[in-house]
Amino acid sequence: SQQGEEDPQALSIQEGENATMNCSYKTSINNLQWYRQNSGRGLVHLILIRSNEREKHSGRLRVTLDTSKKSSSLLITASRAADTASYFCATDNQAGTALIFGKGTTLSVSS
Amino acid sequence: DAGVTQSPTHLIKTRGQQVTLRCSPKSGHDTVSWYQQALGQGPQFIFQYYEEEERQRGNFPDRFSGHQFPNYSSELNVNALLLGDSALYLCASSAGGYQTQYFGPGTRLLVL
Repeated sequence: SQQGEEDPQALSIQEGENATMNCSYKTSINNLQWYRQNSGRGLVHLILIRSNEREKHSGRLRVTLDTSKKSSSLLITASRAADTASYFCATDNQAGTALIFGKGTTLSVSS
Repeated sequence: DAGVTQSPTHLIKTRGQQVTLRCSPKSGHDTVSWYQQALGQGPQFIFQYYEEEERQRGNFPDRFSGHQFPNYSSELNVNALLLGDSALYLCASSAGGYQTQYFGPGTRLLVL
């Protein structure tokens, strides 16, 4: 079963614009992670945010976490064509041994 | 420093056949997890290996089995292939537990 659910399913923007993706999950978590996947290839880890953190930055990425609403958001600022990819949020399972992914948001950045 | 590697990159099999996929973890990592990703879906956890034993298993039938070798590399075996087994199979490695998992490029399996 899938824990996380990303919204929107697809997003199209112009280069230079900001892109915001949201993730909702069902049960309590220890960590939440965001991954990027280009053209159905392997996933690249972007950022991990712990349950006691509210916001985290990495370069042009900003992730927020609201455990009371069981939701997270990923903001990509000043998007580039190279940001075109699918983005997934992932939470840990009860045993803390596996990642549970949502269906992802497909981002398309046009120049 | 080599990342996670997987072989082969692509594979075509017919229903009922058996397949073996291979994974070498990132240097310094001792834990290997396998995921199945169907088209348009997120990855689904199959199982995780640590110290040559299956530590955790997802909701997959016994047709899916695995192995971890002393050098931490791993194999995923699927018996009696079904059309629905067509997917991208991803291997991920981590150090001492899951935390951040590093993924390989995947093996795309097509079952005809």
